Amino acid sequence: EAQLVESGGDLIHPGGSLRLSCAASGFTVSSNYMTWVRQAPGKGLEWVSVIYTGGGETYADSVRGRFSISRDDSRNMVSLEMTSLRVEDTAIYYCARLSGYYSFDSWGQGTPVTVSS
Amino acid sequence: SFELTQPLSVSVALGQTARVTCGENSIASRSVHWYQQKAGQAPVLILYRDNNRPSGVPERFSGSKSGTTATLTISRAQAGDEAEYYCQVWDSRTGFFVFGTGTMVTVL
Repeated sequence: EAQLVESGGDLIHPGGSLRLSCAASGFTVSSNYMTWVRQAPGKGLEWVSVIYTGGGETYADSVRGRFSISRDDSRNMVSLEMTSLRVEDTAIYYCARLSGYYSFDSWGQGTPVTVSS
Repeated sequence: SFELTQPLSVSVALGQTARVTCGENSIASRSVHWYQQKAGQAPVLILYRDNNRPSGVPERFSGSKSGTTATLTISRAQAGDEAEYYCQVWDSRTGFFVFGTGTMVTVL
């Protein structure tokens, strides 16, 4: 059974940086498309970034140039490096696996990020 | 980019049928996926490719599309179906993933 566990969420000041990690088990991240999705307090789901099996990356307009997704195949993990954080980046960040049909078929429980002065 | 429009809320009597819509001009040519998110929990995929259920999802959940609208139908609604529901598509032109605005389903 696929499992995802996120970590790294924290309270951070505006302009700061943070690195989120997602540990996978039950499957190999290098053989799957992996994504990050976030949810601001009381709001809906917002896709953030995807890393494809070939290493290609795509980012939402709201985070492009500030966030960077990466993969560590030896540790079966995916990470999200977040810089120049803004108050509006405050959210629960979920790691999710993409199916071949471009649906998110497995989700972690999320890690909270709060950006506040 | 585009938006997927969902009603803010839908109410359904226990045992009756609830329908949640997801609107977008080109939805007929897109694969639509649906998620259920209960309070304080992560989302769960309940339908993929318009009307396919992952293992473990009850047959009471079904999907359809007509014109510019995709619909999630919950038959014989149960108290445990009370949750936020989101539709989602992939935009092949941009490579972006788009979620609907979300619908809160309340079982009365």
